[in-house]
Amino acid sequence: AQKVTQAQTEISVVEKEDVTLDCVYETRDTTYYLFWYKQPPSGELVFLIRRNSFDEQNEISGRYSWNFQKSTSSFNFTITASQVVDSAVYFCALSEDRTGGFKTIFGAGTRLFVKA
Amino acid sequence: KAGVTQTPRYLIKTRGQQVTLSCSPISGHRSVSWYQQTPGQGLQFLFEYFSETQRNKGNFPGRFSGRQFSNSRSEMNVSTLELGDSALYLCASSFPGTSGATYTDTQYFGPGTRLTVL
Repeated sequence: AQKVTQAQTEISVVEKEDVTLDCVYETRDTTYYLFWYKQPPSGELVFLIRRNSFDEQNEISGRYSWNFQKSTSSFNFTITASQVVDSAVYFCALSEDRTGGFKTIFGAGTRLFVKA
Repeated sequence: KAGVTQTPRYLIKTRGQQVTLSCSPISGHRSVSWYQQTPGQGLQFLFEYFSETQRNKGNFPGRFSGRQFSNSRSEMNVSTLELGDSALYLCASSFPGTSGATYTDTQYFGPGTRLTVL
């Protein structure tokens, strides 16, 4: 069964701390994409990063970095030097190919509080 | 380029009524997906449209329906509203590759329509 688990319900950090958001997924597909989205209080999901199942190279993009490990089915996301504006709910998502289209499954989300 | 727009932003209805929500995708995007977000169930996939055809559907009752127009704008309709339909309804659009919208495409979300059923 396809599933995305974000075990951390809420995380609270102080500004400038680094924070890692965990994501574990389950899929029987060999080809899939993984995403991280941010949902600020306004409600709109904002795309952050994506990674395909064949590329395990971890990268850094500004203050964001991710650690993708197929062996453990994990796609963790790290914010370096967190800022108050990073406070939001973060969602990990798994997108799989389906006949004629695709299907996206979201995790339950991790609420991040960054205190000044 | 303008983002995904959804109207109305807020809606209050009573049980038994029906409601229609609208979504205008980013210009050039031909795939539109709908999601329901509730505190208890999280983000759940409703359906996906591409070129006016519904390609995938989530596990929702038949009271939930949708359609897509030739200009890629999409509407979703919920008939005989129940209290449990109160949620944030999010629409997302994506730009398809040469073979049509696929799992590889990044979805861009609108601000959502918050529906309250009394």
